[in-house]
Amino acid sequence: DSGVTQTPKHLITATGQRVTLRCSPRSGDLSVYWYQQSLDQGLQFLIQYYNGEERAKGNILERFSAQQFPDLHSELNLSSLELGDSALYFCASSPSFTSGRPGAGELFFGEGSRLTVL
Amino acid sequence: AQKVTQAQTEISVVEKEDVTLDCVYETRDTTYYLFWYKQPPSGELVFLIRRNSFDEQNEISGRYSWNFQKSTSSFNFTITASQVVDSAVYFCALSEAGGSQGNLIFGKGTKLSVKP
Repeated sequence: DSGVTQTPKHLITATGQRVTLRCSPRSGDLSVYWYQQSLDQGLQFLIQYYNGEERAKGNILERFSAQQFPDLHSELNLSSLELGDSALYFCASSPSFTSGRPGAGELFFGEGSRLTVL
Repeated sequence: AQKVTQAQTEISVVEKEDVTLDCVYETRDTTYYLFWYKQPPSGELVFLIRRNSFDEQNEISGRYSWNFQKSTSSFNFTITASQVVDSAVYFCALSEAGGSQGNLIFGKGTKLSVKP
């Protein structure tokens, strides 16, 4: 158990819909990262938050957005869903001493939220 | 540009065989970190090891060992006396400590199947 909690574990929805994925980082971790894992693209970094502020952005679509709340949990919002958005979405957190830079410490991943868009 | 290549897509071995998973990386930074993660069939990503670019010492942890060679930009992972429970997808990843992008670059993964 990594200590990172993600909900829901599975989600099935239709094209055009909007979903919210939730992540609670490990206790004390200030950084939250979102990754997407799909068969064709592999594991791709989407976005990082550190103590409530956006720190880095990767290959995140404009239809997707995220935020980190004062209690440090994070939500990833996916809207106008398309079939190609079906994937496993991971949240990860890293130790606070890294000051938001993952190179200084490993990422601890949650179990992922599997999104299926029909 | 940063890149991680895991040339072996799938490997199948019989239990008790030794197996080496290859990882080659590209980076222009002098300070960087390398990682291995395991993804068992249940789906979660499990951290195995982190190595920084200044530490080329090989590491052994039980049946696992890692060989880091800067000269060939490789960070290979060996499982000795493999077991069925080692069946998983293994990912190598790179992070540039000085970069503005605070993220890990993952390879495509190597699926290891250990048969009894």
